[in-house]
Amino acid sequence: GAVVSQHPSWVICKSGTSVKIECRSLDFQATTMFWYRQFPKQSLMLMATSNEGSKATYEQGVEKDKFLINHASLTLSTLTVTSAHPEDSSFYICSARATGTGQFEQYFGPGTRLTVT
Amino acid sequence: AQSVTQLDSQVPVFEEAPVELRCNYSSSVSVYLFWYVQYPNQGLQLLLKYLSGSTLVESINGFEAEFNKSQTSFHLRKPSVHISDTAEYFCAVSPGGGADGLTFGKGTHLIIQP
Repeated sequence: GAVVSQHPSWVICKSGTSVKIECRSLDFQATTMFWYRQFPKQSLMLMATSNEGSKATYEQGVEKDKFLINHASLTLSTLTVTSAHPEDSSFYICSARATGTGQFEQYFGPGTRLTVT
Repeated sequence: AQSVTQLDSQVPVFEEAPVELRCNYSSSVSVYLFWYVQYPNQGLQLLLKYLSGSTLVESINGFEAEFNKSQTSFHLRKPSVHISDTAEYFCAVSPGGGADGLTFGKGTHLIIQP
């Protein structure tokens, strides 16, 4: 149980275009989903926290207008990279925390490799 | 704010030898501590966690970690490693309560040599 999927697993786009990445909790409901970014040989950096039905909370230094997050249902959150540039190329990983008290564990998706040319 | 330090980016170990992966953290509040493992081409999987209670926590595949508050450490150990343990290991913290996202260390690549 507790499976999180991401789609697509990898994407190549041209500079200036927008890309949407989906994160789904397949067998549980997730009130909260998190988006992370991982550079090669680097750690995962938290970008934003997404709560179902409300606006996402962005970490300091993350441009909310560039990285649009929508959490429209208890099983789906999307990250849209708008007007992508080569420096946005990275590995984007989402995680989901199950709904309910005492639920601290985050379940991670397999990640999406974004390459902007 | 929290921070996590994993001093070793890479640890080579012979098969069946013991291993310790080091993790130190800093935080002004109480924290929850986690170890995640990432196998090649896979997502992160929770290995073990410390929330409260006994400071020694164990995983089902032989790993254990001990929370040491005075040394602000949460080192991961295994008495005898296998080839299948080859992976990237990440230490992470979140503020007590678990409502926030995780702060990760840079990861340690465990390389098991036959």
